[in-house]
Amino acid sequence: GAVVSQHPSRVICKSGTSVKIECRSLDFQATTMFWYRQFPKQSLMLMATSNEGSKATYEQGVEKDKFLINHASLTLSTLTVTSAHPEDSSFYICSATRSYNSPLHFGNGTRLTVT
Amino acid sequence: AQSVTQPDIHITVSEGASLELRCNYSYGATPYLFWYVQSPGQGLQLLLKYFSGDTLVQGIKGFEAEFKRSQSSFNLRKPSVHWSDAAEYFCAVGADTGGFKTIFGAGTRLFVKA
Repeated sequence: GAVVSQHPSRVICKSGTSVKIECRSLDFQATTMFWYRQFPKQSLMLMATSNEGSKATYEQGVEKDKFLINHASLTLSTLTVTSAHPEDSSFYICSATRSYNSPLHFGNGTRLTVT
Repeated sequence: AQSVTQPDIHITVSEGASLELRCNYSYGATPYLFWYVQSPGQGLQLLLKYFSGDTLVQGIKGFEAEFKRSQSSFNLRKPSVHWSDAAEYFCAVGADTGGFKTIFGAGTRLFVKA
């Protein structure tokens, strides 16, 4: 159990366009979802915490107008990278949890390449 | 705020040899501690976790970790490494600091040689 599906796994887009990434908890209700960004050979950097039905909490230095997060239901959160630029190219990973002291369940990540 | 340190960027062990990956954390209270494994281009998989109780925790794939409060450590061990264990390993600490967060260490890349 505790499967998290992230889609798409890879996306290539042109500079200036927007890209939406979906994160779904398939067999449990995720009260909280997290979005991470991972640079090559580096650790995961927490971008934002998303609670169902409320605004996301962004980490310092993360532009909330650029990385739009919506958590409309207990099983779905979306991250939209708006007006993408080549420097936004990265590996984005979502995770979901049932409660604050439960382990995180991760999606398989999305490789974004902005040309 | 909590923080996690993994001192070793990469480690190479021979197949069949024992393994220990180091993790030190900083947090004012007892944190929630995790070890995750990541294969290339994939998400992370939970190996084990410590919340409370027995300080030696058993995980999947034959891994175990020991919480040592006096050393602020949560080292991951495996008695006999298999080639399929080659991956990136992340130690993480979760804490409720006005909102629950999980912070990850920089990771340790494990290489397994035949």
